[in-house]
Amino acid sequence: DGGITQSPKYLFRKEGQNVTLSCEQNLNHDAMYWYRQDPGQGLRLIYYSQIVNDFQKGDIAEGYSVSREKKESFPLTVTSAQKNPTAFYLCASSPPLGADTEAFFGQGTRLTVV
Amino acid sequence: LAKTTQPISMDSYEGQEVNITCSHNNIATNDYITWYQQFPSQGPRFIIQGYKTKVTNEVASLFIPADRKSSTLSLPRVSLSDTAVYYCLVGSAGYSSASKIIFGSGTRLSIRP
Repeated sequence: DGGITQSPKYLFRKEGQNVTLSCEQNLNHDAMYWYRQDPGQGLRLIYYSQIVNDFQKGDIAEGYSVSREKKESFPLTVTSAQKNPTAFYLCASSPPLGADTEAFFGQGTRLTVV
Repeated sequence: LAKTTQPISMDSYEGQEVNITCSHNNIATNDYITWYQQFPSQGPRFIIQGYKTKVTNEVASLFIPADRKSSTLSLPRVSLSDTAVYYCLVGSAGYSSASKIIFGSGTRLSIRP
């Protein structure tokens, strides 16, 4: 089945540690995105990538880093510089934006800093 | 990117038709309007997309007036399972470095028995 997979579903991290969230898609989509969602809030864009080896900052990129070495993969690293990392993280992919463009989302990773 | 404005929350009852309106006064010529649905602790799911006039699929209808400054998502005969957050997005068509998918705060729809 084609789709987008995030892992792990739940993640606990100690303060001061970096942690990497995985996102893999087999939809052959060029574009991939990372969002952060806090309780009762909408989605905020962290980073996005239109093509392999290229990515741009979203609205809240500080304290996060990404890489796009393969079309299928777009991992997100939450660094120790992120002041309040506890949140629900969502990864998405889509074809180039245009008519009939639908973004497909993973099931999310819930990160808790302990 | 055009900003969108939606009601924060709406309530309705099972079997009713629900209309959620989204304002996007600064929509650009090549922008499309897309709606997503999100259940708690899940990723959003695409509902419908349109450019102008009316679009209908098996789940919903999307009404877009001629000036395209607003759009209305219509959910026919809602059920309890339609309780969710609904997001209206406006995005540019075409492949460019500026193309990205931006979500607003959404409308929290609650359906009662």
